Amino acid sequence: TQLLEQSPQFLSIQEGENLTVYCNSSSVFSSLQWYRQEPGEGPVLLVTVVTGGEVKKLKRLTFQFGDARKDSSLHITAAQPGDTGLYLCAENTGNQFYFGTGTSLTVIP
Amino acid sequence: NAGVTQTPKFQVLKTGQSMTLQCAQDMNHEYMSWYRQDPGMGLRLIHYSVGAGITDQGEVPNGYNVSRSTTEDFPLRLLSAAPSQTSVYFCASSYSGGSGYTFGSGTRLTVV
Repeated sequence: TQLLEQSPQFLSIQEGENLTVYCNSSSVFSSLQWYRQEPGEGPVLLVTVVTGGEVKKLKRLTFQFGDARKDSSLHITAAQPGDTGLYLCAENTGNQFYFGTGTSLTVIP
Repeated sequence: NAGVTQTPKFQVLKTGQSMTLQCAQDMNHEYMSWYRQDPGMGLRLIHYSVGAGITDQGEVPNGYNVSRSTTEDFPLRLLSAAPSQTSVYFCASSYSGGSGYTFGSGTRLTVV
């Protein structure tokens, strides 16, 4: 089992602020995914990154995969209350997906 | 498309009872998995399947059984419920090993 560490564990910010959350591992990822989970719902896939150094943008969200493929970050610009949720990274090893413990984000109006 | 459908949404069991959590997907996905989510523990893999007739254990398989007789269905059986199995259970499916998962909305299980 590859241990995925996410930081920070909790984050509370005001609407309009920027933020970055991180996902790190001691081993190399084959690919990495980011999900957002809202209370009472299952996680929803945001993005998959595969190539070291890859950057993907999804509206105000920017995802980066580290050059060595051992870390990833999610940056949110001008956060909105609708961004509130649990952000999870997941790594695919063979036929299994392993998830980090997540970053719980609260955006205060 | 309904995506991934889990039933029931809520369940209370007494210690020692058995039950089956149902999961069905209509996307013709080969890969299906069961996770449990506990506070501070993230999502932990219980069992997974890479196709009909093929299942394997994940990180926390003890106390659970699965079968995959069809591509669409992947039920999770609790053999003899214990309070430690109180959790939120998620079923997920994926087209392939490298593509992302589609999750169901979860089953909240309480064992008393």
